[in-house]
Amino acid sequence: AQSVTQPDARVTVSEGASLQLRCKYSYSGTPYLFWYVQYPRQGLQLLLKYYSGDPVVQGVNGFEAEFSKSNSSFHLRKASVHWSDSAVYFCVLSAPNTNKVVFGTGTRLQVLP
Amino acid sequence: DMKVTQMPRYLIKRMGENVLLECGQDMSHETMYWYRQDPGLGLQLIYISYDVDSNSEGDIPKGYRVSRKKREHFSLILDSAKTNQTSVYFCASAPGQNYAEQFFGPGTRLTVL
Repeated sequence: AQSVTQPDARVTVSEGASLQLRCKYSYSGTPYLFWYVQYPRQGLQLLLKYYSGDPVVQGVNGFEAEFSKSNSSFHLRKASVHWSDSAVYFCVLSAPNTNKVVFGTGTRLQVLP
Repeated sequence: DMKVTQMPRYLIKRMGENVLLECGQDMSHETMYWYRQDPGLGLQLIYISYDVDSNSEGDIPKGYRVSRKKREHFSLILDSAKTNQTSVYFCASAPGQNYAEQFFGPGTRLTVL
């Protein structure tokens, strides 16, 4: 069965610091992977996606993520966070050629000014 | 303008009353979803619709039903609402087979007293 684990429920960083949000998945093959962001009182928005190829994918607002098959991970990174990045971030797995989509439980990011 | 809309945004009902949540999208997406989001539980899939009159139960369908008579419109119905259905409900849509590339609405905050 597929699963997604975001081990950190909350992360707090200072503005200007670098960021890594962790995501581990369980899937027998190579999944499709996504990161979504949810700002307060809003729906989720797609941040970036990985289907195949270059394991480092770029997203909006300076975010990037790196796929590692050996580590079953898809960590989200940003070189320098801004207070407006404060939000909840969801890692999502999709099993290719199926309609199965699995959401992680989310990581709440707080950026201190 | 690619958009998913939800009405109403806020709703207060008494236990035993019927509830209708409405969702619309202007992208002609085939697939639409209803989720609920509760603190600490992430997103839980209630129902998925693959097109008009083609609906499937998600992970937590009990106590809910759906209706999709037009591709752009997907309704969630709670017959005789219960207090444990107090939650934030999100509608989403996705194009074709790209099930994980979902566009989310802003959510409906439902309180059942």
